[in-house]
Amino acid sequence: AQKVTQAQTEISVVEKEDVTLDCVYETRDTTYYLFWYKQPPSGELVFLIRRNSFDEQNEISGRYSWNFQKSTSSFNFTITASQVVDSAVYFCALSETQNSGYSTLTFGKGTMLLVSP
Amino acid sequence: KAGVTQTPRYLIKTRGQQVTLSCSPISGHRSVSWYQQTPGQGLQFLFEYFSETQRNKGNFPGRFSGRQFSNSRSEMNVSTLELGDSALYLCASSTGTVNNEKLFFGSGTQLSVL
Repeated sequence: AQKVTQAQTEISVVEKEDVTLDCVYETRDTTYYLFWYKQPPSGELVFLIRRNSFDEQNEISGRYSWNFQKSTSSFNFTITASQVVDSAVYFCALSETQNSGYSTLTFGKGTMLLVSP
Repeated sequence: KAGVTQTPRYLIKTRGQQVTLSCSPISGHRSVSWYQQTPGQGLQFLFEYFSETQRNKGNFPGRFSGRQFSNSRSEMNVSTLELGDSALYLCASSTGTVNNEKLFFGSGTQLSVL
């Protein structure tokens, strides 16, 4: 069984604050992939990052950074100097290969981020 | 390149009816996946099609079915609609040729069952 937990249902911050979105996952597999997606009010999910289980190096992309820690099964996402345009629902997801030999994504429940001016 | 297109954007149906949703993937993508999004259950995987064949299936009743055409466009059908089927149905496409690749999502079809 696999599971992704995003304990924070909603976070409200004021513009320019830093904010961290938590993600904890469960899997029995040694090989797996983790993703973050952003869902703005328009509805479509937008890909942010993919990380495989063998690469624990943290990644930074502009104001976004990700901290992957296998020891705690966590893949947290930090937005530095948040902006109003960052307001969205953010999903963490776990990809595992199924019996079919092909992978599927299991999503967390999402964290709604509200950034006010 | 055009993105993933889902039609219609909104649908209102009554219990017992059936509904068909359509998804056109990004040109060149051969894999189409469907997800159901509800406030209570979040995003749940329905099924995935690749080259007209179902490759993976989620844990949904048989009332939920899908198919894919030779041009990679996909449809999903829900028969005998129930109130609990009210949800945002999202379609995602990818090349489907490698595992664990990123998915490109459409804006979804918002289905309301009255």
